[in-house]
Amino acid sequence: AQSVTQPDIHITVSEGASLELRCNYSYGATPYLFWYVQSPGQGLQLLLKYFSGDTLVQGIKGFEAEFKRSQSSFNLRKPSVHWSDAAEYFCAVGPSPRYSSASKIIFGSGTRLSIRP
Amino acid sequence: DTAVSQTPKYLVTQMGNDKSIKCEQNLGHDTMYWYKQDSKKFLKIMFSYNNKELIINETVPNRFSPKSPDKAHLNLHINSLELGDSAVYFCASSQDNLATAKNIQYFGAGTRLSVL
Repeated sequence: AQSVTQPDIHITVSEGASLELRCNYSYGATPYLFWYVQSPGQGLQLLLKYFSGDTLVQGIKGFEAEFKRSQSSFNLRKPSVHWSDAAEYFCAVGPSPRYSSASKIIFGSGTRLSIRP
Repeated sequence: DTAVSQTPKYLVTQMGNDKSIKCEQNLGHDTMYWYKQDSKKFLKIMFSYNNKELIINETVPNRFSPKSPDKAHLNLHINSLELGDSAVYFCASSQDNLATAKNIQYFGAGTRLSVL
């Protein structure tokens, strides 16, 4: 069965420090991969997505993620975090057209990011 | 203008009551979704509709009944509310229901339902 694992429930980093949020997936083929961010009291906003091609994906707000097939990972990175990056981050996997015509997304359990001044 | 809007933002009610959450999107999308986010932040799809037709129906109690009067609206009605229904419910929409590179889901701000 498809699944997404975010092993870190809560991470605290200092403002200006680099960030890496981990995401591992289990899927029968190369899926579509997403990172969403949820700010307090807000809905989910798409940060970036991977469908095919270049395995290093650039997103909004200075975020990037790298797809590593051998590790079944899609980790999110940012070289220097800002206080406004404090939020909940969700990794998600969607089906490739080979397996499903419905855009059903499976979300990880989220990683809460806190920023230390 | 908010692309995907949900009302109300907060809903506090007693067990056994019936309540509805409304969702509207002004993106011209064909497909809309309801997700449930539990207290542990776990987000799971409940339903999706494409052009008013039910596409995805996960294992959800039949007390939950989605209604799509037109493709811009997908409302969620819940009968006989239970304590376990307390959660944040998110509405989302996408261009269509195909798993393609352009088909991104856009989310509303959520409705926090508290059942007492």
